[in-house]
Amino acid sequence: AQSVTQLDSQVPVFEEAPVELRCNYSSSVSVYLFWYVQYPNQGLQLLLKYLSGSTLVKGINGFEAEFNKSQTSFHLRKPSVHISDTAEYFCAVIISGSRLTFGEGTQLTVNP
Amino acid sequence: DGGITQSPKYLFRKEGQNVTLSCEQNLNHDAMYWYRQDPGQGLRLIYYSQIVNDFQKGDIAEGYSVSREKKESFPLTVTSAQKNPTAFYLCASSMVGGQRANVLTFGAGSRLTVL
Repeated sequence: AQSVTQLDSQVPVFEEAPVELRCNYSSSVSVYLFWYVQYPNQGLQLLLKYLSGSTLVKGINGFEAEFNKSQTSFHLRKPSVHISDTAEYFCAVIISGSRLTFGEGTQLTVNP
Repeated sequence: DGGITQSPKYLFRKEGQNVTLSCEQNLNHDAMYWYRQDPGQGLRLIYYSQIVNDFQKGDIAEGYSVSREKKESFPLTVTSAQKNPTAFYLCASSMVGGQRANVLTFGAGSRLTVL
C-alpha cells in the first residue's frame, strides 16, 4: 500500500507567485515527515522535517510545511517563488518505525 | 567539508557487463543506502547497511550486490542479472539511533546507461 502520495506530478507557476506542493500520507499514530529538493542531475537535499513539536515547520530557502494530523497531510508552501526554485521536490515519510518511503516527486517549474 | 562522493558521475556500459558504482562518505555515519531513481517513480531502496560487514536487501535488490568492508565505503555492483539497469543511482548515509538517524545525506548521484 502506498504510504505517501504526492498529488501533483508537475506544478508550473510564475515567478513571485505563491506555491503549494501537496503531500498526503497513510494514517498512523507515529509519523516522521520530510521534504527533499533535487536540482537537475544532483542528489537530494533536505528542505525541512517534522519529527515532533510545532506543526509548522520552517526550512531552507523560505519554504515551510504544516503537519496536519486530521487530514494526514504535509503540504509544502512558499509565499513567493524564484526561478532558482525550479527543481523536483520529494515528500518522504517514516510511519510507525518503518523504513523511509519517498513519494513520486513533484516537478516545480518557475517561469519568468 | 564532510559529504558523500559518488563516482563516476556518468557511466556507459554494454549489455551483459557488470559495473560497480563507488560511494564514499566522511561524515562518520554508520548507515549507508543505495537508491535507484527512475522518472516518475521516486526513489526505490536497493540495499542498506547499518554497520560494517552487514547489509540488508531493500525493495528492489534483485540484480544488485553490495559490500561494506569499511565504514566509509559502500560500493554497489549492477550485475548482468539486472534486467533494466539504466537509471540514476543515489547513495546516502545517516546516523544510527535517535531522531537524527532519520535524516539522510545524499551524494550527487551516478547515471548509468546501458547500451
